[in-house]
Amino acid sequence: EDQVTQSPEALRLQEGESSSLNCSYTVSGLRGLFWYRQDPGKGPEFLFTLYSAGEEKEKERLKATLTKKESFLHITAPKPEDSATYLCAVQGSDDYKLSFGAGTTVTVRA
Amino acid sequence: DGGITQSPKYLFRKEGQNVTLSCEQNLNHDAMYWYRQDPGQGLRLIYYSQIVNDFQKGDIAEGYSVSREKKESFPLTVTSAQKNPTAFYLCASSIGRRNTDTQYFGPGTRLTVL
Repeated sequence: EDQVTQSPEALRLQEGESSSLNCSYTVSGLRGLFWYRQDPGKGPEFLFTLYSAGEEKEKERLKATLTKKESFLHITAPKPEDSATYLCAVQGSDDYKLSFGAGTTVTVRA
Repeated sequence: DGGITQSPKYLFRKEGQNVTLSCEQNLNHDAMYWYRQDPGQGLRLIYYSQIVNDFQKGDIAEGYSVSREKKESFPLTVTSAQKNPTAFYLCASSIGRRNTDTQYFGPGTRLTVL
């Protein structure tokens, strides 16, 4: 069974204080690893798909990286508007299913 | 504007009632999904459909039912058999028929049992 563990559960940052979120996974035959952003009371918003170890993708202050066992979401010089819960999910050999982690809630103070 | 809509945004159910949550997409996606989200837990798959008139159970299908009569629509019924239905329900869709298939989510419906 595919498993995803995200750490830390919560992260409080000062504006401009860079940090990283971790997503550890076990999956048989990784087809893709996905990062989403979720604001309170809203649906997840797609950020990135990573397909293979060594791959990196960037969007504004966010950068996602992938190894064979984990993925990191780096937040560089965060702003208060980056406050959200960040969700990680993997797609394995069952091509329909995403297995989600519980998320990391990031709070950025001005 | 292409996207996924869910209605209602908030829904209150009395004990013993069945309720139906609506999900519509105009992205021309073949695949649609229903997830449940509880505090402190990851999203859990309830049902999914890869094509019209076909659907499969996910990890937590007991107490739920779905239909897929149209490509655009995938309603979820929460029956009285679901013992703890209070949760945030999310509908998603994807192109389908691809090796790696990104899912896009709707805004969600919050269901509360009174």
